[in-house]
Amino acid sequence: DTAVSQTPKYLVTQMGNDKSIKCEQNLGHDTMYWYKQDSKKFLKIMFSYNNKELIINETVPNRFSPKSPDKAHLNLHINSLELGDSAVYFCASSQTREGMSKNIQYFGAGTRLSVL
Amino acid sequence: GNSVTQMEGPVTLSEEAFLTINCTYTATGYPSLFWYVQYPGEGLQLLLKATKADDKGSNKGFEATYRKETTSFHLEKGSVQVSDSAVYFCALRISGGYNKLIFGAGTRLAVHP
Repeated sequence: DTAVSQTPKYLVTQMGNDKSIKCEQNLGHDTMYWYKQDSKKFLKIMFSYNNKELIINETVPNRFSPKSPDKAHLNLHINSLELGDSAVYFCASSQTREGMSKNIQYFGAGTRLSVL
Repeated sequence: GNSVTQMEGPVTLSEEAFLTINCTYTATGYPSLFWYVQYPGEGLQLLLKATKADDKGSNKGFEATYRKETTSFHLEKGSVQVSDSAVYFCALRISGGYNKLIFGAGTRLAVHP
């Protein structure tokens, strides 16, 4: 059973298109995240949702819109894709309640987005 | 601001060699520190962590000690294996920051037989 799953694994698209990446976690966590990893492997947080509420919103173009229909899902929609959006996007989740794994982030395998 | 600096890679070692990957940080307050590992084609996995000064995190033969005086959290392993080949990320988390992780640039480790 995959704990944090992202779809699709690979996404190749043209500039100007709109695309979505989906993320689901089956860990019962209450917080989910989106990270962007650029070509130099530098990893930076974009968004975080806690119980479907946006709590972290870094300086990200408003072409990127996260949507959390429930605690187990956090999708990322990107409008008007640009060449610079090409990267690997990672979803992660964590829990805020007390326990050994409190606040430890678990990552999905990533979605490689290539904008042509 | 808060930031993490890691030694640039790639680091290339022979099997059974000693590994050190340097990590230093700049932070307000007292952060928690982490090492994550990314194997080829996979997401990041937590390797070890330390939440306060002088704590030592350890896992799978890797260890790192939280040094407040030198603001460092260097990763070490006494004898690396080919299966340790991966990218290693040092990260910090500021308390009260909504669990936001700030990552270093990552260090690629390649271990040859």
